[in-house]
This record gives sequence, C-alpha cells and structure tokens, in this order.
Amino acid sequence: GAVVSQHPSRVICKSGTSVKIECRSLDFQATTMFWYRQFPKQSLMLMATSNEGSKATYEQGVEKDKFLINHASLTLSTLTVTSAHPEDSSFYICSAPRQGAREQYFGPGTRLTVT
Amino acid sequence: GENVEQHPSTLSVQEGDSAVIKCTYSDSASNYFPWYKQELGKRPQLIIDIRSNVGEKKDQRIAVTLNKTAKHFSLHITETQPEDSAVYFCAGSGFGNEKLTFGTGTRLTIIP
Repeated sequence: GAVVSQHPSRVICKSGTSVKIECRSLDFQATTMFWYRQFPKQSLMLMATSNEGSKATYEQGVEKDKFLINHASLTLSTLTVTSAHPEDSSFYICSAPRQGAREQYFGPGTRLTVT
Repeated sequence: GENVEQHPSTLSVQEGDSAVIKCTYSDSASNYFPWYKQELGKRPQLIIDIRSNVGEKKDQRIAVTLNKTAKHFSLHITETQPEDSAVYFCAGSGFGNEKLTFGTGTRLTIIP
C-alpha cells in the first residue's frame, strides 16, 4: 500500500507561536492532499484541500490566514498553525490519494498541544 | 454538501458474533464509500470500500453493502475477534471529487 508520513508526531508549543506540520507521500506522487483535524472522541473534520501548484481550498469556517497550507512539491504539503491558541490543540492528520485512484492513505497524525 | 450519518455510536458484541454498522448519505451524486478503522491515537486505516456500481463487496470477515436507492451502506464484520475493537468510520465522496465526508464514528468493543 501507499505510505504517507507526517512530522512531527507530537508537538507542544506556547500560545501565540506558530507550528509547522509536514505531510509526505513516500512512494507515490500526490497532486492533492487533505488536512483533517480530529478532536478527542470525535470524527475527522476536513479543514482544507492542498493542491500542488495552486492555492489550497479551505472548508467553510476554517480560517485560511490561521492555517497556512503550502503544497511545495508532488510529495510534500505543509500546514502551519499560526498564532496558536489552546483551542487549536488537536490531532491533525493528512491524507493523500494516488493519482487516478479513489483510495486515500492517511499519515500517522500530529498531536498538537498549545499551552 | 454531503452529509453522512452513522449508527450506532457505540456497539458491544460478544466475541464470535457479528457486528453491523450503518451509514446514510445525503448526496445522490456520491459514488465512493470507504470504511476506516482507527485505533486510539493512530491513523485511520482503510479496511474496505465500495463503489456505486456494486451492491456488495466482501473481504474475508468483512463485507459492505450499498443501497443506492435508499442512500445507505453498511459494514458487516463476522466472527468478531478482540482485535476488531476500535472506532470505525464510514465516509463518502462524489464523482470527480476526492473529498471525503466522514460519519461520526462507531466505537466497537468485542467482549471476550
């Protein structure tokens, strides 16, 4: 199966600082990647669609200036949480489909804690 | 947009018995329905999926059925084992749109 990695797996930051999370497709190219947020005991909520070579598409209610997405290459997308606050503490997961396929493969997730 | 509802939210099943989780979707244009298993603190893992041109798909102890007319699909796990305990999510997406809309999840507990 396809492999998607995320870095870091855990991060603790202070309120007001920014945190960058990387999502990589290791053995396939991904023109599209997706970023989700998952609060404890809740479902995955799509935050945005990351598009290689163009701007990300954000879901309703997600602040694009707060959650900056950059799809730098066909194997890398980054999510930067700017001016983080405790309510941003969550599990952030990326996913990517192989080109031409419907199956999405998820990264291992990044647990962000803002103190 | 798509709305996916999932029931039940929790399910306890005796080991060896079957478990059934049901989902309904709102967008008749949706045509791809995957099921994911997520263990605590880990990534969702695809366990089975079905496309709208098929009514049923089976992979060993796991099967999924789809009723396009009623816009619902179900996950069936037979001969359950303790390692089946996890949270299961259904999802749906439309043609030409890779975005997945997830159900609210079902916490499945297998009682030894």
